[in-house]
Amino acid sequence: AQSVTQPDIHITVSEGASLELRCNYSYGATPYLFWYVQSPGQGLQLLLKYFSGDTLVQGIKGFEAEFKRSQSSFNLRKPSVHWSDAAEYFCAVGANTGGFKTIFGAGTRLFVKA
Amino acid sequence: GAGVSQSPSNKVTEKGKDVELRCDPISGHTALYWYRQSLGQGLEFLIYFQGNSAPDKSGLPSDRFSAERTGGSVSTLTIQRTQQEDSAVYLCASTVGTGQETQYFGPGTRLLVL
Repeated sequence: AQSVTQPDIHITVSEGASLELRCNYSYGATPYLFWYVQSPGQGLQLLLKYFSGDTLVQGIKGFEAEFKRSQSSFNLRKPSVHWSDAAEYFCAVGANTGGFKTIFGAGTRLFVKA
Repeated sequence: GAGVSQSPSNKVTEKGKDVELRCDPISGHTALYWYRQSLGQGLEFLIYFQGNSAPDKSGLPSDRFSAERTGGSVSTLTIQRTQQEDSAVYLCASTVGTGQETQYFGPGTRLLVL
């Protein structure tokens, strides 16, 4: 069965600083990997996803993530954080095991300070 | 409608009562998920429906929880004899189906058990 670990419960960065949110997964085959964002009072929205091909994936709002098979990681990055990026970020792994099931990590809450 | 809708948006109930939560997926989406998000927690997978296949109920926390999906569209999550620990936001998501696994989330139902 697949699993996802987000080691950081919360992170605080200054506006304009770079950001990296960590995600490690466990799955025996090549997984489908996702990052979702949940802004205050908003529903979850997909930022980006990786299925195959180029391991560096570009998403919306200037985010990117890199799939590293050797490290079982799919870290989310942004070169310059904006105050509006303050939100909860969820990494997820999906697998096609007779039906497609997605498991989410516990989330990382991002705080942005001026 | 254009997106996933859930009702009610908020539900307050007394311990021991039964509740029903409704999810209307995006028209044409064949897969539907239910998740639970407790305060400060990640998304906990509950149940997954895919087309006419038997649902994956592996995430249901107890036999007090059940869900059905009628006509391959609307889904109802039922919690019997509610307990205070059932208080959470219940999220529904739908996807197009195999190969298109971006999940589109509803706004959630916030359940409070007194």
